[in-house]
This record gives sequence, C-alpha cells and structure tokens, in this order.
Amino acid sequence: AQSVTQPDIHITVSEGASLELRCNYSYGATPYLFWYVQSPGQGLQLLLKYFSGDTLVQGIKGFEAEFKRSQSSFNLRKPSVHWSDAAEYFCAVGLNRDDKIIFGKGTRLHILP
Amino acid sequence: KAGVTQTPRYLIKTRGQQVTLSCSPISGHRSVSWYQQTPGQGLQFLFEYFSETQRNKGNFPGRFSGRQFSNSRSEMNVSTLELGDSALYLCASSLWAQGVQETQYFGPGTRLLVL
Repeated sequence: AQSVTQPDIHITVSEGASLELRCNYSYGATPYLFWYVQSPGQGLQLLLKYFSGDTLVQGIKGFEAEFKRSQSSFNLRKPSVHWSDAAEYFCAVGLNRDDKIIFGKGTRLHILP
Repeated sequence: KAGVTQTPRYLIKTRGQQVTLSCSPISGHRSVSWYQQTPGQGLQFLFEYFSETQRNKGNFPGRFSGRQFSNSRSEMNVSTLELGDSALYLCASSLWAQGVQETQYFGPGTRLLVL
C-alpha cells in the first residue's frame, strides 16, 4: 500500500543551524511530492512541490527539497533556521491513480535560541 | 484575496450529538476537500467536493457526510458523535478538482472536542 514515512517525530536544532527533515514514500511510480508547514493554530501552508524535472526544488521561506528516486526520498532542507521556523512539517504524496493525497504523520521542529 | 475560512473555530459537543462545520473556499475555487487531523492518525482525507458533487471519498464511516453549494461553500456534518471524533477538521480549496497537481490552500481548521 502507498505510504509516506517521516521517521523523526521531533527534531530540535539551534537557531542558525542547518536543517534536514526526512521523508520516504512507498509508491510504484514516481509520485507528486509536497512539503507543507503548519504553525500553531494555523492550517497547512505549501512550502514546495515536485512534479517532474529538476530534482532540487526551491520553495518559500528559504526551504528546498531534493527528490531522490533511488532512495524514494524527498528530504526538506534549510541552510540556516530561524526561530519562526518552529512548526510542524508534513510531507505528502499525490497519487496520480486516484487523485488522492496522503500525508505523513509530521515532524515537529523545535528551535533553540 | 481572502483565504479559506472555516467556522466555527472551536466547538464542544457531547457524545451522540451531531455537528455541522462550514468552509468558505478562496473566491473562484471550485474544489473543497476535508481532512481530519488527530495526534494519533495524523491527517486523513475525508472527502472532496467539486461543482456540488462528491468526487472523492476517504475511509470514514457514513456518519461523516458533506455537501457543497452552488457558491462552492461546503459543509461537513458528523452525526452521532463519538469521543474519537475529537480532532482538528481542516478544509482545503483548490481551483479545480483535486488532481494531484493542484495546489491546495488550507483553512485554519475547526477544533472539535467531544465530551
């Protein structure tokens, strides 16, 4: 069955440090891939998406993600985090077959001052 | 352009009651999707409406239903509430039907507590 795995439930990094959030998917074909962020009390906001083409995708707020087909991964990165990046991050997979989007369980990011 | 709005933002109900949640999509958007978010299950797709028709449905019992009006506003109804229905209910709109390439714009959610 199709699935999206975010192995890290919580991640803590210091402000100014680099960040990588992991996402792995299980799907027979190349899926459509998304990263969303959810700040406390807010809905989800799209950070970036990958459909095809260049495997390194630039998003908003200085985030980028790299699609690696061989590893079935779509990890989110940021070179230097800010305190305002503290939030929950969701990786999602769009399944072309039935037009559904499956979300991972999320990774909560904590920022140390 | 105003974003997706959901009302009410918070709701407390008791077991056995029913509840109706409302979602107003971004102007011009014709697709509205509903999700349930809980700490244990994460984000789970409930259903999607496009042009007043249910186009897609997740794996939820029949107690969960919805509808969409001609102005694209959508309502979600849960009957015979159970404790496990306590969750954040998110609505998302997109310009067209939820093809996987469509960007969804999420509302802030309605937090439902069932006592």
